[in-house]
Amino acid sequence: GIQVEQSPPDLILQEGANSTLRCNFSDSVNNLQWFHQNPWGQLINLFYIPSGTKQNGRLSATTVATERYSLLYISSSQTTDSGVYFCAVEPAGNMLTFGGGTRLMVKP
Amino acid sequence: DADVTQTPRNRITKTGKRIMLECSQTKGHDRMYWYRQDPGLGLRLIYYSFDVKDINKGEISDGYSVSRQAQAKFSLSLESAIPNQTALYFCATSDPAAGSYGYTFGSGTRLTVV
Repeated sequence: GIQVEQSPPDLILQEGANSTLRCNFSDSVNNLQWFHQNPWGQLINLFYIPSGTKQNGRLSATTVATERYSLLYISSSQTTDSGVYFCAVEPAGNMLTFGGGTRLMVKP
Repeated sequence: DADVTQTPRNRITKTGKRIMLECSQTKGHDRMYWYRQDPGLGLRLIYYSFDVKDINKGEISDGYSVSRQAQAKFSLSLESAIPNQTALYFCATSDPAAGSYGYTFGSGTRLTVV
């Protein structure tokens, strides 16, 4: 099946810093989503982005489908950004597959 | 009301007991899924259903069964719970025709088997 690798696995930032999270995948996909899992375990859908670039406030994401990677940018990080960020991909004819996640801690 | 509702939110059960986790959705999607998350890991697919008459095994279906009672309801059962089924369980829906919405997840059910 498709392989989804996220980097870095862990990230510690000072409040106000910027960061880039990366997701590499091994096959072409119809769907790519970024999720934030908060400390209570809830999965928040950040972006549906199988290709191109989107922005939502301090967050933006870019997927380069031809090169099989996606990037999530967090600018001016806040303590509420802490949690785990998951990339998930859905190849044609297959189910949504999750990466291992990036665990982010933002310190005040 | 949430688009995808899971009940219960938390459950502690004993080894060997049968337990059912329930999921209902108001999005009108045909496709529904059950995922499992172990601590420190990503989500893995247990079962999925593309319509009421369609049930399919996912990556880790052993020890689980499902029932699709209606388009809006998809239940997951553990016939005889064991401690290594302790995990966070998520229900999700999707509709490929919906364009840019992808998958929608419920809030999760935290299950502990003692």
